[in-house]
Amino acid sequence: QKEVEQNSGPLSVPEGAIASLNCTYSDRGSQSFFWYRQYSGKSPELIMSIYSNGDKEDGRFTAQLNKASQYVSLLIRDSQPSDSATYLCAGTGTASKLTFGTGTRLQVTL
Amino acid sequence: KAGVTQTPRYLIKTRGQQVTLSCSPISGHRSVSWYQQTPGQGLQFLFEYFSETQRNKGNFPGRFSGRQFSNSRSEMNVSTLELGDSALYLCASSPWTGGTDTQYFGPGTRLTVL
Repeated sequence: QKEVEQNSGPLSVPEGAIASLNCTYSDRGSQSFFWYRQYSGKSPELIMSIYSNGDKEDGRFTAQLNKASQYVSLLIRDSQPSDSATYLCAGTGTASKLTFGTGTRLQVTL
Repeated sequence: KAGVTQTPRYLIKTRGQQVTLSCSPISGHRSVSWYQQTPGQGLQFLFEYFSETQRNKGNFPGRFSGRQFSNSRSEMNVSTLELGDSALYLCASSPWTGGTDTQYFGPGTRLTVL
């Protein structure tokens, strides 16, 4: 079982819709979680970090963490074509190492 | 502040050779982590350095090594290159710990092994 799992996609949503990206993790000791966006041929860039159960909002992005169910999600409201990218979920486990999922490819269609 | 820089950006080597990649973190950041990214495996953690000490290590063979200097700049070395080492190597810096702090990535070094 991978430590951080994501559906590889592609997830296709129309422009203006809400994109919902999900991630599950296996290490119950994980405390810190991050969402990164990676455009093709570029390096990952941080979108959100979340440490506590519940929702965290930043502009069009909302990260959700549920430690009891061991899942993290990212909602993108009013999706734009420029949001088309691979979204990487990452978590820090008990070994204090940041572990990444393999990413979900998001396509926002016109 | 300037971002994380990595040199070189592209590298072509042949099997059996060795390679050294360099990373300069964001000014003031003391932790540097290295990752290998391949289409099949995604981003995999190589190691993390903090104050010139390796603090954490991933599951890679001993051919992969690194070090950090007193100015926080870091290098990673891969000896006896194999075809499977072809990948994008990413360096990330964070203020303190690469585990819980936000990590900021450099542009990466694209290594091709022929």
